Amino acid sequence: TQLLEQSPQFLSIQEGENLTVYCNSSSVFSSLQWYRQEPGEGPVLLVTVVTGGEVKKLKRLTFQFGDARKDSSLHITAAQPGDTGLYLCAGNDSGYALNFGKGTSLLVTP
Amino acid sequence: GAVVSQHPSWVICKSGTSVKIECRSLDFQATTMFWYRQFPKQSLMLMATSNEGSKATYEQGVEKDKFLINHASLTLSTLTVTSAHPEDSSFYICSARPGQGARDEQFFGPGTRLTVL
Repeated sequence: TQLLEQSPQFLSIQEGENLTVYCNSSSVFSSLQWYRQEPGEGPVLLVTVVTGGEVKKLKRLTFQFGDARKDSSLHITAAQPGDTGLYLCAGNDSGYALNFGKGTSLLVTP
Repeated sequence: GAVVSQHPSWVICKSGTSVKIECRSLDFQATTMFWYRQFPKQSLMLMATSNEGSKATYEQGVEKDKFLINHASLTLSTLTVTSAHPEDSSFYICSARPGQGARDEQFFGPGTRLTVL
């Protein structure tokens, strides 16, 4: 059972466009992380959100944790080709292991 | 800080041989390390949780006798794929969780590409 549902699964946009990736679950998470992974490399942690309703910004990336701590979103403003990659959300519900979403593959073309 | 390394970065082996992959936390101690495998264009699948000084906990469907995990120190965990077969070809990624901190963050290694001929 996939605890975390990510959407969209694939996204191809042009440079300068905005986009939002969603991560939804019926489970409550104590924290939720967003990672970006490039081909042939391991995931790189972008942000961790802990508090319901929390909003964090990382340059052109805005992350939001839902009030009930069951969902999160990642918004990218004015996407650039360097933003291309696989975006993964991962949540910790009660144990040490992370539950990963299936990922959103983003392609930004010049 | 929070750097995790893996060795080797890629390996090609013949069917039936065993392959060992090392995962090291370089600048922190990790009481818990995790091993994942990832197929092309798919997300990470947790294989097992490795705890320093104790037996690993394997996810359902993962053969513990085939994927041997040893977590001998607070900075090193190894995954040995025994009697490898072509279907074991995959991208194996480890992650490490610092022993302290309430934010449950994990830091990932760069991955090991295994190809079994």
